[in-house]
Amino acid sequence: TQLLEQSPQFLSIQEGENLTVYCNSSSVFSSLQWYRQEPGEGPVLLVTVVTGGEVKKLKRLTFQFGDARKDSSLHITAAQPGDTGLYLCAGGEEYGNKLVFGAGTILRVKS
Amino acid sequence: KAGVTQTPRYLIKTRGQQVTLSCSPISGHRSVSWYQQTPGQGLQFLFEYFSETQRNKGNFPGRFSGRQFSNSRSEMNVSTLELGDSALYLCASSLKPPTSGSYEQYFGPGTRLTVT
Repeated sequence: TQLLEQSPQFLSIQEGENLTVYCNSSSVFSSLQWYRQEPGEGPVLLVTVVTGGEVKKLKRLTFQFGDARKDSSLHITAAQPGDTGLYLCAGGEEYGNKLVFGAGTILRVKS
Repeated sequence: KAGVTQTPRYLIKTRGQQVTLSCSPISGHRSVSWYQQTPGQGLQFLFEYFSETQRNKGNFPGRFSGRQFSNSRSEMNVSTLELGDSALYLCASSLKPPTSGSYEQYFGPGTRLTVT
């Protein structure tokens, strides 16, 4: 089974700061998704990246898929309290049949 | 379009009992996956069904089972509940099977199971 290492585990920052969350693996993934989950709810899909080197922007969030499709990053510009939550990356196994999830990054943005 | 629905949302059971959880996928979605989420282990894959066939299974004991019906609705069952089975059980649906390059899953709100 392929593994995804996500870092950092916890992040507590002030409103207006920038941050980056990383998702790394030694394996190649066919696609990579980022989700945000709030307490008591299911994860909500933010973005899917498929092509190596692909960059996608969603308002203040920028997602990048590594050239070799082994890693990804999520960058948030000018974080706001509404960005608070658990961020999860998930990779589609290249020769498998399921998504592999990272352990998650708990983000807290203080006002 | 309605999202993924799961019932019940909350459940309290006693050790040794069994439980059945239900999931209705997004209309038109034929793939349903189940996950267990706990603070210590994170999101762990249980199994995935596509067109009523179990196509993949995670590393869980045989007490965990599931099925999918012809209308794509799915159920999972846990028999002989243990305290460690307390978790948030999430169902996710997708339009395409996991082997597609642009595989995307949409999650339901989950069922919070507490075993006492």
